Amino acid sequence: SAVISQKPSRDICQRGTSLTIQCQVDSQVTMMFWYRQQPGQSLTLIATANQGSEATYESGFVIDKFPISRPNLTFSTLTVSNMSPEDSSIYLCSVEEDLSYEQYFGPGTRLTVT
Amino acid sequence: AQRVTQPEKLLSVFKGAPVELKCNYSYSGSPELFWYVQYSRQRLQLLLRHISRESIKGFTADLNKGETSFHLKKPFAQEEDSAMYYCGPGASGSARQLTFGSGTQLTVLP
Repeated sequence: SAVISQKPSRDICQRGTSLTIQCQVDSQVTMMFWYRQQPGQSLTLIATANQGSEATYESGFVIDKFPISRPNLTFSTLTVSNMSPEDSSIYLCSVEEDLSYEQYFGPGTRLTVT
Repeated sequence: AQRVTQPEKLLSVFKGAPVELKCNYSYSGSPELFWYVQYSRQRLQLLLRHISRESIKGFTADLNKGETSFHLKKPFAQEEDSAMYYCGPGASGSARQLTFGSGTQLTVLP
């Protein structure tokens, strides 16, 4: 199974600023995903990031707010822009192993916006 | 809406008792569903997928298309099974449009 790391593991940010979260995988994967897990709630898919193409965003999420980069097959970033307290959440990166649909998650980034 | 539902937020059983964590889905096709587990202070991890038909840590889950369910079962619960369990889709493929379940916190009592 893929090993995934995320940076930072947590951060406290001020309203109006932006934070970029990094996701690194130890193997090449086609599909990478970004999720949000708000306090006491389940996981919500933000977007799918494929290398060499624009990210595909789910309903309720837009590129201006959550720009994503996927420069190669082992790395992706998610930026949370113009943050507000409602963006306080855990942000998770995941990858899907080709052919199996099995999904593996990073440890998450706990973001608090004050 | 295409949803995955876990009706129980909390579930407590005694050690050695059988446990069943419920998961229902609303989806017109045949979904790729998985069970994920998150132990305290650890990352979310894959537990098993519906087509594997294997037992992982004593857990099994069968996709019942007639009942649109994918319940997770274990005949004899252990204290180390205490964790948060999520039923949900694989990230891509036909199941991608399904949401994750809200999770069930399982506590196995000594």
